[in-house]
Amino acid sequence: AQSVTQLGSHVSVSEGALVLLRCNYSSSVPPYLFWYVQYPNQGLQLLLKYTTGATLVKGINGFEAEFKKSETSFHLTKPSAHMSDAAEYFCAVSDDNQGGKLIFGQGTELSVKP
Amino acid sequence: EAGVTQFPSHSVIEKGQTVTLRCDPISGHDNLYWYRRVMGKEIKFLLHFVKESKQDESGMPNNRFLAERTGGTYSTLKVQPAELEDSGVYFCASSQTIRQGWETQYFGPGTRLLVL
Repeated sequence: AQSVTQLGSHVSVSEGALVLLRCNYSSSVPPYLFWYVQYPNQGLQLLLKYTTGATLVKGINGFEAEFKKSETSFHLTKPSAHMSDAAEYFCAVSDDNQGGKLIFGQGTELSVKP
Repeated sequence: EAGVTQFPSHSVIEKGQTVTLRCDPISGHDNLYWYRRVMGKEIKFLLHFVKESKQDESGMPNNRFLAERTGGTYSTLKVQPAELEDSGVYFCASSQTIRQGWETQYFGPGTRLLVL
C-alpha cells in the first residue's frame, strides 16, 4: 500500500530564508508525486508534480522538488521565502493502479516571519 | 473557465440530522473525486466517479454516506444521519478523461461540516 509522510506539521522560516518541506513516500510501483498548496479559505492548488523523466521538477511561485528514488523522498524547496508563501502544503502520491486516487501526507503549515 | 465549486462552504448541523454537499466539477471533466479531512488528520480519499458511474468507493466510511452523480455532471454527497465524527472538511476534485495516476486533479474550496 502507498503512504506519505511529511516531516514536521509546522515549519517557520524568516522572509528571504530557504524553505525546505520534507516528504517521504512508500510505493511498491513507480510513483507519481505531487505537491499541493492550500491558502486560507481556498482549495488545494497544484504546485508541481513528478511523473517520469527529469527528477528535478520546477513548479509555480519559485518552488521546486527533487525525486530521489533511493531515498524515497520528494522534498519541496524554495531558495527565498516570501510572506505570501505562508500556507499549508500537502505532499501526495499516486500510481497507475489507483485510478487517479491520491494518497496524502498530513500536511505542513508554513509560517513566514518578517 | 470556472473552477471546481462546492456548496455550501460551511454547514453546522446537529447529530442525527441530514446534510447534502454539492460539487460542480470543471465542465467536461469526467472524473470526480471526493476527499475528506478530519481535523488534525490527513486528507483521505472517499470515492471516485467516472461520468455517472462509481469507479471506486473504497474510502466511504459507512452506509450513512451516499454519493450520486446523476447525468455525469454535478455530484452530491449525503450524510444521513450525521454523527460527531463526520465533522471535517469535504473536498471535491475533478480531472479530465484520462484515468491515469499522473493526471492533475483540480480541487474545490471544500465544505466545512461541523456536527454538534
